Amino acid sequence: KAGVTQTPRYLIKTRGQQVTLSCSPISGHRSVSWYQQTPGQGLQFLFEYFSETQRNKGNFPGRFSGRQFSNSRSEMNVSTLELGDSALYLCASSRDWLDEQFFGPGTRLTVL
Amino acid sequence: KQEVTQIPAALSVPEGENLVLNCSFTDSAIYNLQWFRQDPGKGLTSLLLIQSSQREQTSGRLNASLDKSSGRSTLYIAASQPGDSATYLCAVRPSTSYDKVIFGPGTSLSVIP
Repeated sequence: KAGVTQTPRYLIKTRGQQVTLSCSPISGHRSVSWYQQTPGQGLQFLFEYFSETQRNKGNFPGRFSGRQFSNSRSEMNVSTLELGDSALYLCASSRDWLDEQFFGPGTRLTVL
Repeated sequence: KQEVTQIPAALSVPEGENLVLNCSFTDSAIYNLQWFRQDPGKGLTSLLLIQSSQREQTSGRLNASLDKSSGRSTLYIAASQPGDSATYLCAVRPSTSYDKVIFGPGTSLSVIP
């Protein structure tokens, strides 16, 4: 059974640009969550989706947005990138939103 | 507001030693608690999930316990090996409707051969 996949794995952008990250959950999983991980702040929750509906949103500015498609795949978008957005972005999927979470390898975003 | 802490922040032990990692949370109203390990620059690997109604879960050399009333969970690693070196994180799912998973800061474990 394939695990959670995230694309791209690495990304370099410049300030002011926008970026879209993609996450494909484990087959049969309907819940997808996104997290930002930085050395200073640790793992911080971004969004949680279940059956195409956003169930929860973390304390991030409106530049961060996401969505989930009917096949449970999810994307997150960051507009007007800032240097502080440099981080490892992790996606996790679970069968239901209360179940065990399984993480992908992450996307390493560097903003120059 | 739920807060999750992990002590110690870092731990170094000789190979073969049994060890305990701690996770504390401030609000006992939780659905479940999950333990993960993370290798440098990688994603998280799920180790154990404990439901709020359970007291412990075991997988191989790992045993996790949960005491909701005291707001504590421990991860016991038996006969540690150098391959166990990683950062261990605990995460709490509050039982408040629509509340998000909250992660602790992690314990960095180094097992010395």
